[in-house]
Amino acid sequence: GIQVEQSPPDLILQEGANSTLRCNFSDSVNNLQWFHQNPWGQLINLFYIPSGTKQNGRLSATTVATERYSLLYISSSQTTDSGVYFCAVGENAGNMLTFGGGTRLMVKP
Amino acid sequence: NAGVMQNPRHLVRRRGQEARLRCSPMKGHSHVYWYRQLPEEGLKFMVYLQKENIIDESGMPKERFSAEFPKEGPSILRIQQVVRGDSAAYFCASSPPNAYNEQFFGPGTRLTVL
Repeated sequence: GIQVEQSPPDLILQEGANSTLRCNFSDSVNNLQWFHQNPWGQLINLFYIPSGTKQNGRLSATTVATERYSLLYISSSQTTDSGVYFCAVGENAGNMLTFGGGTRLMVKP
Repeated sequence: NAGVMQNPRHLVRRRGQEARLRCSPMKGHSHVYWYRQLPEEGLKFMVYLQKENIIDESGMPKERFSAEFPKEGPSILRIQQVVRGDSAAYFCASSPPNAYNEQFFGPGTRLTVL
């Protein structure tokens, strides 16, 4: 099956800093989503972005499907951004999502 | 428009008991997915259902686990004779009836097996 790798695995930022999270995948995809799992365990949809670029406030994402990667940008980070960020992809052959291992982000005040 | 609903949010069972987890998809969504998150791990796909049909159960353990999505009512994930290794967070997601749509996740059910 498809492989999804996220980097870095852990990231510590000072409040106000910017960061870029990366997601590499091993095959063509028809679906790519970014999620934030907050400290209470809830999964928050950030972006549905199988290709192209989207922005939502301080967050933006870019997926280059032909090169099999996606980037999540967080600008002016806040302590509430702490948690784990997951990238998940759907292969052309099915509807299931395959999740990466996540990037654990801690934003310090 | 309410999001995906899951209940209970927390469930404690003793080894050998049965666990029933419920999921109500978003209004207008007819596709339901179950995922499991073991402690300190990412989420792994278990099963994909449409009304009255199991479409893909390639991620389901071969024994003790079953899922259904009846014509009326919520989707149910059933775990018989639970063991400590079943302790995990179980997430349900739903999507609209077109192919390859965005999946929306519920808050999860945290199962603890004593």
